[in-house]
Order: sequence, then structure tokens, then C-alpha cells
Amino acid sequence: NAGVMQNPRHLVRRRGQEARLRCSPMKGHSHVYWYRQLPEEGLKFMVYLQKENIIDESGMPKERFSAEFPKEGPSILRIQQVVRGDSAAYFCASSPRGATHNQDTQYFGPGTRLTVL
Amino acid sequence: AQSVAQPEDQVNVAEGNPLTVKCTYSVSGNPYLFWYVQYPNRGLQFLLKYITGDNLVKGSYGFEAEFNKSQTSFHLKKPSALVSDSALYFCAVRLPYSGNTPLVFGKGTRLSVIA
Repeated sequence: NAGVMQNPRHLVRRRGQEARLRCSPMKGHSHVYWYRQLPEEGLKFMVYLQKENIIDESGMPKERFSAEFPKEGPSILRIQQVVRGDSAAYFCASSPRGATHNQDTQYFGPGTRLTVL
Repeated sequence: AQSVAQPEDQVNVAEGNPLTVKCTYSVSGNPYLFWYVQYPNRGLQFLLKYITGDNLVKGSYGFEAEFNKSQTSFHLKKPSALVSDSALYFCAVRLPYSGNTPLVFGKGTRLSVIA
């Protein structure tokens, strides 16, 4: 049973370009969470999605960041017009059940390390 | 607001000795508590969690953690450390309310096990 998959593992962008990060949850999981990890810091929650729905985006910056989880295909975190401060590791996690089962473990992918030049 | 503190940035321990990685939390209510480990350039791997019941929780790779409500702590322990345990350890807390409550992480503790 494959775990959470993320690609690319490393992404380099110049300021002003767009970054697209992809996440495929574990088989049977329909709940996806995105986190950002800045150097020497813990992970910070960004957004929680179910298939075709954004459930909670309270941790995601209002400008330039968007996320989706279509009916078919992976979840995508999109960062438009990247700036140097966006350089970080972005992790995706999935769980089998959603917000009414907060005791469920979230399983993390290997992350995408974004570097903005 | 909920928060998690890992008071030590770095813990050094000799191989074969017991290890403890500390975690305290600040939330209202009875939280769910988690420990994850991160190896270099890898994602987080789940170690163990406390939901309810027995305060001593056993997890992967011989790790265990004790939930102490009066001290609001959830320290991670292992009786005998291995060099391969060297990694970054994160404690996390989640409120048990219905509706999405984010997983809130501490800043992490780097464990170094010396042969």
C-alpha cells in the first residue's frame, strides 16, 4: 500500500513564477491537509480539503496561494508570483476520515522543497 | 489558542542509555497528542498518539510516551537509545472537538545518539 506521494520533491523557481505542488493521498483516504515548514520551525497548518471541497483554509495566505482537490487526480497547492519568503518545505498529509474524527492519524508525504531564487 | 512547547532544541544521549524528549502543551479541554519523527530530507513518520485511556502509550521502534494531565506533558521515552534514532522529533496536539481542528506542532527537538 503506497503511502502519501508528493511531487516534485524539489522545485526551484525565480521570483514571480508560479509553483505547483502535487499530493496523492494514501489509498482509501479522501481527506488531505497541507502544511508548511520553515527552516528550524515546526509544521504550520495551511489548508484542509476533501474531494472537490475546501473545508478549512484558515492557515493559508489570502493572496497568491490556492489549493484544490479535484474528483480525479491529486491535490494541488498553487503559489502564484512566488517570493523568496515562500521558500520552505511543503508537506501533504492524508487521513481516512475527516473533521468528525480528529483522533485519526495523519500520514505525511515526503514533502516538496521549494526554493525561490 | 492551543500551543505545544518542546523546551529542548537538542538532546544528546549515548547509545544504550535511556532517552527522553520533552513536550508540554497548552489547550483548553482534553487534547489528542501525537509524536512524529523526521529523518533528513524525509517526511514525518507517525510514532504514537494518546487519545484516551491508559496514560502510557506504546508506539513504533520501541518508543513510548506518558500523558500527564496535571503537568500537561507528553514526554517521549525509550529505554535504550540507538544511533539510528538520531532524527528530529515533533510533538503535536489536536483538539477533540467536532469540525476540523488543526494539528498544531512544536518546533521540534533534534535527538543525537552518540555511539
